[in-house]
Amino acid sequence: SYVLTQPPSVSVAPRQTARINCEGDNIERKSVHWYQQKPGQAPVLVVHDDSDRPSGIPERFSGSNSGNTATLTISSVEIGDEADYYCQVWDSNTDHQEVFGGGTKLTVL
Amino acid sequence: QVQLVQSGAEVKKPGASIKVSCKTSGYTFTAYWIHWVRQAPGQGLEWMGRINPKSDGTNYPQKFKDRVTMTRDLSISTVYMELNGLTSDDTAVYYCARTLLHFLDVWGQGTLVTVSS
Repeated sequence: SYVLTQPPSVSVAPRQTARINCEGDNIERKSVHWYQQKPGQAPVLVVHDDSDRPSGIPERFSGSNSGNTATLTISSVEIGDEADYYCQVWDSNTDHQEVFGGGTKLTVL
Repeated sequence: QVQLVQSGAEVKKPGASIKVSCKTSGYTFTAYWIHWVRQAPGQGLEWMGRINPKSDGTNYPQKFKDRVTMTRDLSISTVYMELNGLTSDDTAVYYCARTLLHFLDVWGQGTLVTVSS
């Protein structure tokens, strides 16, 4: 089955740029989606199809996907961005299942 | 507005079954698939399967194929997820979420299921 690997944690100072990677074999051939989850809350979609933002998501959130790595970039990080972030893809080769990365805890110092 | 409202928290004994509901509103029920995702305490997200409310078709990952059943009731725009043979490893928050093209754009609030003797 397809595996997505994320770093367990990323730390960044306020107003700096955070980059969270999601690694998978030839991930550039897949559409990658990103979710933000704050403690005690349901996940929220922040980027879909590699780089598209749902309505209501700030422009500070952006995504890219190349080679074996997809990246969620959060510019001008705010205290309120502190959360867990998950990447997700659809694996059409294995039971057509959805696959999540293990998640990355973003800490704003 | 689009809403997915789930049933309340439950406590079950090992070996029992659980059936969680997900009532939808604010959109055409048959136009979007509904997925179920669970999250064990302190852990990440785990996909449990999907149902197409229009066709009643389902897809389950191998891990859950023998234990999970997803159904829908068109008359009340509600989807159900039933999980059998509960163990302590099934203690988790269970989420429903809708999707059009594989990204989950609206999520339910989550249902805590605790399995304990």
